[in-house]
Amino acid sequence: GQSLEQPSEVTAVEGAIVQINCTYQTSGFYGLSWYQQHDGGAPTFLSYNALDGLEETGRFSSFLSRSDSYGYLLLQELQMKDSASYFCAVRQTGANNLFFGTGTRLTVIP
Amino acid sequence: GAGVSQSPSNKVTEKGKDVELRCDPISGHTALYWYRQSLGQGLEFLIYFQGNSAPDKSGLPSDRFSAERTGGSVSTLTIQRTQQEDSAVYLCASSRGGLAGRDEQYFGPGTRLTVT
Repeated sequence: GQSLEQPSEVTAVEGAIVQINCTYQTSGFYGLSWYQQHDGGAPTFLSYNALDGLEETGRFSSFLSRSDSYGYLLLQELQMKDSASYFCAVRQTGANNLFFGTGTRLTVIP
Repeated sequence: GAGVSQSPSNKVTEKGKDVELRCDPISGHTALYWYRQSLGQGLEFLIYFQGNSAPDKSGLPSDRFSAERTGGSVSTLTIQRTQQEDSAVYLCASSRGGLAGRDEQYFGPGTRLTVT
């Protein structure tokens, strides 16, 4: 089978940096994606890592290490609006769909 | 341009009734997905359409679930003889498709289904 494990909840202070980890057990996959979902809202795409290393998009960065079966999303200069759930996801080789992780609920406090 | 739209936004139905959920994808997107999300949970894949190819139904939980996509655009997800465990938010997503790796999916607002 396959699994993508994330911490269920993370709390961080406004202006700080937070890292959300994603550890996976899966066979070959194309890359690791991250999606953000506010309460009652639709998931929205944040980033994608096809290769090992760090990808930076503004305040958000994402990292992948295939050798360690591990990735993370890094959020800098946290804002209250960053309070949301964050999901990692992979598309397995030969599959059509994304397989989503368990999700991490981030709460940003003043 | 317009994003993915879904209707209805909320649906309350009695156990045993049939329901139809509709999805209008982004114009030009060839790939369309249906997912299900239970409260506080991740997204569970249901079905995938790509162009005129046969759909990938591998995620459908039972034969009570079916979906079609007419003209390569609008899709309808039908749940027959609804059960209480079908209660969830049903999300539709579309993408440009054809990309093995990065295939950014655009999600609709979802339909919240409650089976009483």
